Amino acid sequence: DTGVSQNPRHKITKRGQNVTFRCDPISEHNRLYWYRQTLGQGPEFLTYFQNEAQLEKSRLLSDRFSAERPKGSFSTLEIQRTEQGDSAMYLCASSDRGYAGELFFGEGSRLTVL
Amino acid sequence: TQLLEQSPQFLSIQEGENLTVYCNSSSVFSSLQWYRQEPGEGPVLLVTVVTGGEVKKLKRLTFQFGDARKDSSLHITAAQPGDTGLYLCAGAEQAGTALIFGKGTTLSVSS
Repeated sequence: DTGVSQNPRHKITKRGQNVTFRCDPISEHNRLYWYRQTLGQGPEFLTYFQNEAQLEKSRLLSDRFSAERPKGSFSTLEIQRTEQGDSAMYLCASSDRGYAGELFFGEGSRLTVL
Repeated sequence: TQLLEQSPQFLSIQEGENLTVYCNSSSVFSSLQWYRQEPGEGPVLLVTVVTGGEVKKLKRLTFQFGDARKDSSLHITAAQPGDTGLYLCAGAEQAGTALIFGKGTTLSVSS
């Protein structure tokens, strides 16, 4: 099964460190999304790509966050100088179309900042 | 800024009861989707509604999109413990814009 894959599944880091998450979407999907989710809440949109182009970025995304999708395949989300408030589940999703398209989610990468 | 408000936030019921979850907004959406999420997993799509007034049924689940495309509801008949989870509505104001999620309704069905 080649669903959406995210790595690492869990990351514990100290405040001030940098972390990077990777997402491998379903291979034929050209759209890739990053969301952040805290316990019991809905996913909060961070950014999305169509192929390698970053088309939309949430205003909530501080300059400590950066995402890339080189060559329109896998994507990375980097958080610099982590803060305790960054602790959350980071979800990646992919889709093969924009309008009313189903998002296929990975199992997420859980970040704990101590 | 588009905002999707879901109610109730929490719902705890007995097996066999019926329930309705609501998703409301002041914005018009080109489409609305409902997802279900279990602990430790990503959300999984249940249904997409695109036409105002549309009603879709998925076994014991009935989804309705408001005539003005600003709200939606999910009705579950004869709830079962397997229905337990976080129910999320999500919408995009325009085609090509990112999908925005509500905060979700946490449903617990006990036997």
